[in-house]
Amino acid sequence: GAGVSQSPSNKVTEKGKDVELRCDPISGHTALYWYRQSLGQGLEFLIYFQGNSAPDKSGLPSDRFSAERTGGSVSTLTIQRTQQEDSAVYLCASSLIPHEQYFGPGTRLTVT
Amino acid sequence: AQSVTQLDSHVSVSEGTPVLLRCNYSSSYSPSLFWYVQHPNKGLQLLLKYTSAATLVKGINGFEAEFKKSETSFHLTKPSAHMSDAAEYFCVVTLYGGATNKLIFGTGTLLAVQP
Repeated sequence: GAGVSQSPSNKVTEKGKDVELRCDPISGHTALYWYRQSLGQGLEFLIYFQGNSAPDKSGLPSDRFSAERTGGSVSTLTIQRTQQEDSAVYLCASSLIPHEQYFGPGTRLTVT
Repeated sequence: AQSVTQLDSHVSVSEGTPVLLRCNYSSSYSPSLFWYVQHPNKGLQLLLKYTSAATLVKGINGFEAEFKKSETSFHLTKPSAHMSDAAEYFCVVTLYGGATNKLIFGTGTLLAVQP
């Protein structure tokens, strides 16, 4: 079956611009997660959705970062006024049961 | 607090020899532990998981891990390395309960397999 998909696969943007990253979870998975993978910070949790609500958004680095999920499916991670330190691979995962998260291929964001 | 420590950032083995990737965990309760693998320019793939059932867990591609509470360890092993095993491996603990459900990753171990 189809796995988690993310778009775009690569995004290059200028400092100060806004970007939107999209995640399509595995059909039927109620939970969705965003993580970030960068050289300096490793793999870090950003936000967790259960259905359309986000009970844990403790990993969002600043108020420039926001995310939403609609219809219990697609999620968008938005970064406003991008900075060079936002450059990273943004990973989305989904799960049906709590302890088994399936990851997408990621979006590589480069801020110039 | 939940955390994992991967003791080696790089491991190099010869093809056909055993693999040992070490991981120690810290947890205030009985943890759920995982190993994920990431091949170059690929996404993360779940290799195996421990969720308080059998302490010896078998995963894909011949990998297994043993949960040892007395040593707070969850080392990943494979009897015979293959060239295709070259990748980065992450030991992971889950923080689940209340309003959260998230994975906490170790810093990763890069496995090189020499011909």
